[in-house]
Amino acid sequence: ETGVTQTPRHLVMGMTNKKSLKCEQHLGHNAMYWYKQSAKKPLELMFVYSLEERVENNSVPSRFSPECPNSSHLFLHLHTLQPEDSALYLCASSQVKEKLFFGSGTQLSVL
Amino acid sequence: DQQVKQNSPSLSVQEGRISILNCDYTNSMFDYFLWYKKYPAEGPTFLISISSIKDKNEDGRFTVFLNKSAKHLSLHIVPSQPGDSAVYFCAASALRRDDKIIFGKGTRLHILP
Repeated sequence: ETGVTQTPRHLVMGMTNKKSLKCEQHLGHNAMYWYKQSAKKPLELMFVYSLEERVENNSVPSRFSPECPNSSHLFLHLHTLQPEDSALYLCASSQVKEKLFFGSGTQLSVL
Repeated sequence: DQQVKQNSPSLSVQEGRISILNCDYTNSMFDYFLWYKKYPAEGPTFLISISSIKDKNEDGRFTVFLNKSAKHLSLHIVPSQPGDSAVYFCAASALRRDDKIIFGKGTRLHILP
């Protein structure tokens, strides 16, 4: 398997649930990202990990908690989300910063 | 305030004709521009890019034009094919400042038979 793989593809959760999104990249890249895509909005950068260290956190609420155990894996832990957090969550990786390779995303619905 | 603007949410073009997708930006520090293409249920895929030292970059049926004075770039697809129907995202970054990539809202392109 090649590229960037995200699981699950779809997730429905209640506001009191705890869930995690998983991302794995098989490209040998050294940076990984979480993006959020809401309807009719630009892609919003949430978190960046470079060489497994978090280098950016764009004022994301603490109910989103990223984890990057190694350069190939990235998680987004979700806890007590709100309905407005429903969106497509995209993982990406890169070696050269300007060219991102995206996964297929997790479509999240918060009820 | 949006730094990268794609003012047309959608565009319909006849198969075989030229598709022109437009993008405007406000930040004069941007020096690298990209286009990504996204199909439903898939992540965006990189299509083509251009550095600010150029005004044109061509790759097969895809050409990106950059007008720095107008802070405007466009993606030309010719001839348009059914498989080109997708959402196209314009993106920009200021590599000299090591800034992140800023995306536009996207334009949905429909290629009509």
